Amino acid sequence: QQQVKQSPQSLIVQKGGISIINCAYENTAFDYFPWYQQFPGKGPALLIAIRPDVSEKKEGRFTISFNKSAKQFSLHIMDSQPGDSATYFCAASIIYKYIFGTGTRLKVLA
Amino acid sequence: EPEVTQTPSHQVTQMGQEVILRCVPISNHLYFYWYRQILGQKVEFLVSFYNNEISEKSEIFDDQFSVERPDGSNFTLKIRSTKLEDSAMYFCASSPGLGSGDTQYFGPGTRLTVL
Repeated sequence: QQQVKQSPQSLIVQKGGISIINCAYENTAFDYFPWYQQFPGKGPALLIAIRPDVSEKKEGRFTISFNKSAKQFSLHIMDSQPGDSATYFCAASIIYKYIFGTGTRLKVLA
Repeated sequence: EPEVTQTPSHQVTQMGQEVILRCVPISNHLYFYWYRQILGQKVEFLVSFYNNEISEKSEIFDDQFSVERPDGSNFTLKIRSTKLEDSAMYFCASSPGLGSGDTQYFGPGTRLTVL
């Protein structure tokens, strides 16, 4: 019940395209949903985050859409760039810890 | 911008040896965490720590693991008798509080290799 399911496992997008990564959860006690970006050999870096009382949050080219009733949330990367090529993890927060999704390896072709 | 730092960046040890991984959380943060990531897999929660006590730990965090805040700045993870399967990246994180929206900030990680 504390799992966060993430899809797809990998994603290839052309430069300028839209990258969409989806996550789903079961536990309604989760109260905060961050997305992290990770480059090889580096730690996860916060990209954008949302609380469950908000349906959408946009920061620059990055947008989170949140569907509380469906227990799903997604990351949209608009105008994807080769520099966005990284692994993206969704996470869900419950007291004292984050539960991470399995990650999506994004490759943006130049 | 303040950041979480970790040392060493890479630790190689023999099976059965003790290792201590060190972290300096962001200075005004109150909650500290350790996570691990086996190569190519997801980030997994190990332990959270607040007010000099473990707040929560996962099933991975068994008796061979311990955490300590030995002074006002460092936060350590000790593995008493390392096993081959302990080889992973270990990330320290810290957050200012515990409430909704208190983001956890991650360090760059320590790569632990157990031979």
